[in-house]
Amino acid sequence: AQRVTQPEKLLSVFKGAPVELKCNYSYSGSPELFWYVQYSRQRLQLLLRHISRESIKGFTADLNKGETSFHLKKPFAQEEDSAMYYCALRHSNQGGKLIFGQGTELSVKP
Amino acid sequence: GAGVSQTPSNKVTEKGKYVELRCDPISGHTALYWYRQSLGQGPEFLIYFQGTGAADDSGLPNDRFFAVRPEGSVSTLKIQRTERGDSAVYLCASSPSDVTDTQYFGPGTRLTVL
Repeated sequence: AQRVTQPEKLLSVFKGAPVELKCNYSYSGSPELFWYVQYSRQRLQLLLRHISRESIKGFTADLNKGETSFHLKKPFAQEEDSAMYYCALRHSNQGGKLIFGQGTELSVKP
Repeated sequence: GAGVSQTPSNKVTEKGKYVELRCDPISGHTALYWYRQSLGQGPEFLIYFQGTGAADDSGLPNDRFFAVRPEGSVSTLKIQRTERGDSAVYLCASSPSDVTDTQYFGPGTRLTVL
């Protein structure tokens, strides 16, 4: 079965520290991986997708098929990065439905 | 332009009642998705429309849940005989056309079943 696992419910770091939000997936095939973010009192929005291979707001994520991981990283966290982060998977042959992880709350302290 | 809108923003109902949740997608978006997010969990897929037809309803938990999109724009999620376990935030998302397009989410409807 397809599954996305985010092992940390809460990650707390100080401003300027590096951040890594972990995401592992189980899937047999070629998935498409995403990170979505939800800032306080805002709607869920796309942060980045692995096929774009781009950096958004200083965040990057590399798909590692050997380790079935898609960890989100940022070298220097900012207070405005505090939010809920969800990793998601989409099966190329099952329409557009997304399978989400449980989410990690990132708290960046001053 | 306007994003995805959902009404009502909050709905409180009693166990056993019928509820309807509405989603207005971004104009011109042909794909529409419903997800359910329980407390402390990530969104869980319910149903996907391409135009007027349900292309994938594999996430609907049981036959008390039903969704329609009669004119290929607005969609309504209908829940019969609500149960306390149905309490959650119901999210709607739309995308331009292809399944590879980015999904844009609405603010959600918070349903509370007493």
